[in-house]
Parts: sequence; C-alpha cells; structure tokens
Amino acid sequence: GENVEQHPSTLSVQEGDSAVIKCTYSDSASNYFPWYKQELGKRPQLIIDIRSNVGEKKDQRIAVTLNKTAKHFSLHITETQPEDSAVYFCAASMEGNNRLAFGKGNQVVVIP
Amino acid sequence: DTAVSQTPKYLVTQMGNDKSIKCEQNLGHDTMYWYKQDSKKFLKIMFSYNNKELIINETVPNRFSPKSPDKAHLNLHINSLELGDSAVYFCASSQGGVREKLFFGSGTQLSVL
Repeated sequence: GENVEQHPSTLSVQEGDSAVIKCTYSDSASNYFPWYKQELGKRPQLIIDIRSNVGEKKDQRIAVTLNKTAKHFSLHITETQPEDSAVYFCAASMEGNNRLAFGKGNQVVVIP
Repeated sequence: DTAVSQTPKYLVTQMGNDKSIKCEQNLGHDTMYWYKQDSKKFLKIMFSYNNKELIINETVPNRFSPKSPDKAHLNLHINSLELGDSAVYFCASSQGGVREKLFFGSGTQLSVL
C-alpha cells in the first residue's frame, strides 16, 4: 500500500518567518494530497489539498506544491503566526481506493 | 450545530471491561470512519462505512466491532479492553470518500488502567 513520510518531524520557526514541510509518497498512482492541521487537544482539520492535475495551490498564507516526478509535495506557510503552531499531517490517496494514507505528522512551533 | 459529534469525550476504564463510543454526523454524508491516534500522534484508519455498509476493515483485533444503524451514526464497541487500546479515537465523515474533506469529531480519549 501507499507509504507517506514527512520531514522534519519537528520544526521551530520565528514568528513572521516561513515554514516548509515536505512529504514523500511511494505509489505513483496516488493523485490526491491533503494537508490536515491539528492544534493541541483539538481535532484534525483540512487546511488545503491538491490533486495531481495541478502543481501548486494557494490559500492566503498557505500553499502546497506537488512534484509528481519526484513523488513529493510540500506545505508552505508564510508570515507564520503563533496560531500556526500545531501538528500538520500530509496524506495521499489514489483514484478508486478509499484509503487515505497519513504521514506521521510534523510538529510546527512558532516562536513569538 | 456540531457537524460530527462523538461521546464520551473521556473514557477511563479497567482492563477487561467492554465500552462503547458513539458518533453522529448531521452533514448528510454517506461515508463515516473511525481513526485511532496513538501517543505518537499517528492517525491510523480502523474502519470505514458507506451508507451503513462496511467498506474498510483494517487489521484491527476483532474485539473492536463497529455498528452503523443508519448512515448518520457509526458506533464503536470494544470488548475486553487492553492497555494497548489506550489512545484517542476519532470519528470522521465525508461526502464521497477520502478524496473529499474529512470532518473529524472532537475525539474520545480512552485510558485503560
């Protein structure tokens, strides 16, 4: 089955700086890649997703880029704020498969 | 007006007991899920139901039995609880499967003593 890995496991950034989290996936048939954010003690929530027919998608301060050849996708957070501190999960899925393979999560800490 | 609600929020119990967690969604979604999040925060799918029918059953001990009386409800019953069952259990729902947005419940923190 699909295997998704995230790097780094923990990332600390100064408030206002940018944060980048990278995920790699193993199955070239995967074509849907969401990112979920989980604040401490809260539920995971979808923040952005991308499908393989595009290479980049933006929503205000967050963006996701996809490199199908290298089988990796990245989450970019610009102008980080303390409320961006959370665990971020990437995931991958393929057409016709109702399984969503999650990565193990990245802890992002924004230092005020 | 909570979209996905699960009860109880906390569950503390002794080894060997049987317990249930309830989940309800008012979004009209066809698909519901149970995920287990361990102490290392890893999110692992346990079960998925579509319109009351089981479509995913991962490698989960048969002490775990999901039940979906209708498409708005997916309950999880756990028999003979073990220490390793301690985790946060999240219910979720989506319209059309995992390739659409998953709406998670607030989680049930299960502690087995």
